[in-house]
Amino acid sequence: DAGVTQSPTHLIKTRGQQVTLRCSPISGHKSVSWYQQVLGQGPQFIFQYYEKEERGRGNFPDRFSARQFPNYSSELNVNALLLGDSALYLCASSYLAWTPSPGEQFFGPGTRLTVL
Amino acid sequence: KQEVTQIPAALSVPEGENLVLNCSFTDSAIYNLQWFRQDPGKGLTSLLLIQSSQREQTSGRLNASLDKSSGRSTLYIAASQPGDSATYLCAVPSQGGSEKLVFGKGTKLTVNP
Repeated sequence: DAGVTQSPTHLIKTRGQQVTLRCSPISGHKSVSWYQQVLGQGPQFIFQYYEKEERGRGNFPDRFSARQFPNYSSELNVNALLLGDSALYLCASSYLAWTPSPGEQFFGPGTRLTVL
Repeated sequence: KQEVTQIPAALSVPEGENLVLNCSFTDSAIYNLQWFRQDPGKGLTSLLLIQSSQREQTSGRLNASLDKSSGRSTLYIAASQPGDSATYLCAVPSQGGSEKLVFGKGTKLTVNP
């Protein structure tokens, strides 16, 4: 079975540009979450979507947005890129969303974003 | 606000040694705790999920324990191998209805041949 997939693997952008990252969850998983990981730190939560609805939002500016599609895949968009947005962006999926407790989360390989 | 701390930040051991990685969390009202492995520049691999009702969870040479009351978890790795070299992260779900995970900064493990 395929795990969580993310595209692209690497991306180089310049300040002020916009970027879209994509994620496909494990088949049957309906919950998708996005995390940002800068070097030397643990991942920081950005968004969670379940059944196409936003279920959680982390402490990130409005330049960050996301959506989930009917097939449960998801996109993360970042506008007006800053140097500080350079990071590894991770997508995670899970089957259960608080039924009755948080489910085990499975992560994709990540997208390495470099902002110049 | 939940905070997760992992000690030590880095650990170097000779091959074959048994070792323990530590994770502590400030809010003991957790549903579960998950341990992950991360190779350099790669995504996270789930190692063990331990529910709040469990005291231990085992997978091969790995054993995770959970003590909710003291806000601590340990990951025990038996007979370490060079292939175990990676960063190990622990994470707990935050409160509030989302599946937000709060991570520690990780412990970077190096197993020397």
